[in-house]
Amino acid sequence: GAGVSQSPSNKVTEKGKDVELRCDPISGHTALYWYRQRLGQGLEFLIYFQGNSAPDKSGLPSDRFSAERTGESVSTLTIQRTQQEDSAVYLCASSFGTGGGYEQYFGPGTRLTVT
Amino acid sequence: TQLLEQSPQFLSIQEGENLTVYCNSSSVFSSLQWYRQEPGEGPVLLVTVVTGGEVKKLKRLTFQFGDARKDSSLHITAAQPGDTGLYLCAGGPLESGNTPLVFGKGTRLSVIA
Repeated sequence: GAGVSQSPSNKVTEKGKDVELRCDPISGHTALYWYRQRLGQGLEFLIYFQGNSAPDKSGLPSDRFSAERTGESVSTLTIQRTQQEDSAVYLCASSFGTGGGYEQYFGPGTRLTVT
Repeated sequence: TQLLEQSPQFLSIQEGENLTVYCNSSSVFSSLQWYRQEPGEGPVLLVTVVTGGEVKKLKRLTFQFGDARKDSSLHITAAQPGDTGLYLCAGGPLESGNTPLVFGKGTRLSVIA
């Protein structure tokens, strides 16, 4: 079956512009996660959604970052007034549930470059 | 806040050598997962260990979960260039409910032919 897909694969934007990154999780996965990965670094947790529960936004670095999810399907991560330090790969993952018993399936990421 | 420390952060070795990477915490986890990420791709799950002291083997890779479920190790025998990548450990918190995995910052392995 289809895996997690993300679009666009690459995005170059000018400082100060808004960007939207899209994630299509695996069908049936109730949990969806967004991570940021700076060049040569590990994963930085941003936000996750679990079913109809309120999302855990504890990892969002500033109020310029927000995310929405439609039911248990598509999610959009929005970065407003982009800054150069926002340049990174943004990874989305989904799983059947949260916690240690569930494998996270990752998308290929969106590489964001802010010039 | 539960944290996972991975070491070493970087490792560069020759083809055929053995290596071990570590994932340590002061917290107890319900399980421990290891992922590998290759350049330009998302991480892919290698293994999940759930029982203290558990050892799992995946071809040349051996994974161990500490007896107290606070640490884990990944040992690679006779490393190959195809093993090159970022190795991430992720712990499942003990709390029930909607608590996501905790990821370490990764060990970046380079195997030189």
